[in-house]
Amino acid sequence: ETGVTQSPTHLIKTRGQQVTLRCSSQSGHNTVSWYQQALGQGPQFIFQYYREEENGRGNFPPRFSGLQFPNYSSELNVNALELDDSALYLCASSSTDAVGRQFFGPGTRLTVL
Amino acid sequence: KQEVTQIPAALSVPEGENLVLNCSFTDSAIYNLQWFRQDPGKGLTSLLLIQSSQREQTSGRLNASLDKSSGRSTLYIAASQPGDSATYLCAVLRFSSGSARQLTFGSGTQLTVLP
Repeated sequence: ETGVTQSPTHLIKTRGQQVTLRCSSQSGHNTVSWYQQALGQGPQFIFQYYREEENGRGNFPPRFSGLQFPNYSSELNVNALELDDSALYLCASSSTDAVGRQFFGPGTRLTVL
Repeated sequence: KQEVTQIPAALSVPEGENLVLNCSFTDSAIYNLQWFRQDPGKGLTSLLLIQSSQREQTSGRLNASLDKSSGRSTLYIAASQPGDSATYLCAVLRFSSGSARQLTFGSGTQLTVLP
């Protein structure tokens, strides 16, 4: 069974640029969630995708957007990068079973200069 | 709005000691509660998951309890080892806007076990 994978591992961008982060969900999972973790903080929920539709969103501006593909992999896009977007971005996949466990990938470290 | 608090923020103990990490949450309408481990710069490893109808879960030297009515959970680590050094995060799962099942995390407890 393949776990959750994310790419790239690290990324450096400058303010105002755009970035795309990628996530491959675990086999058998149809739901992907994205979280932002600033240094020294717990992860914050960005949004969740289920069957290619966004079905929930946290307190993040519209410049954070996403996609989910028919194979349930997902992208997180961030436009007009700001310095405060520097963080570890975590992807989690899950099924819609009764347990509700989310399985996390290793994350992408984004640095905005 | 759900808020999750973890106390203490940091903890340093000698090897072999038993320890307890605390987590509290403000809204008892949760689906489950999970404890995660995070090593520096890495992703999250799930340690224990307690369903809202359960009181505790055990895995090896770890035991987690849940008191939903009081909004509290504890993670007990027995006979701590230097390899247990990491940040431990508590998170509650609930339904957010739409039909999403969303995790709300505490800020974590940074544990250091001294050899």
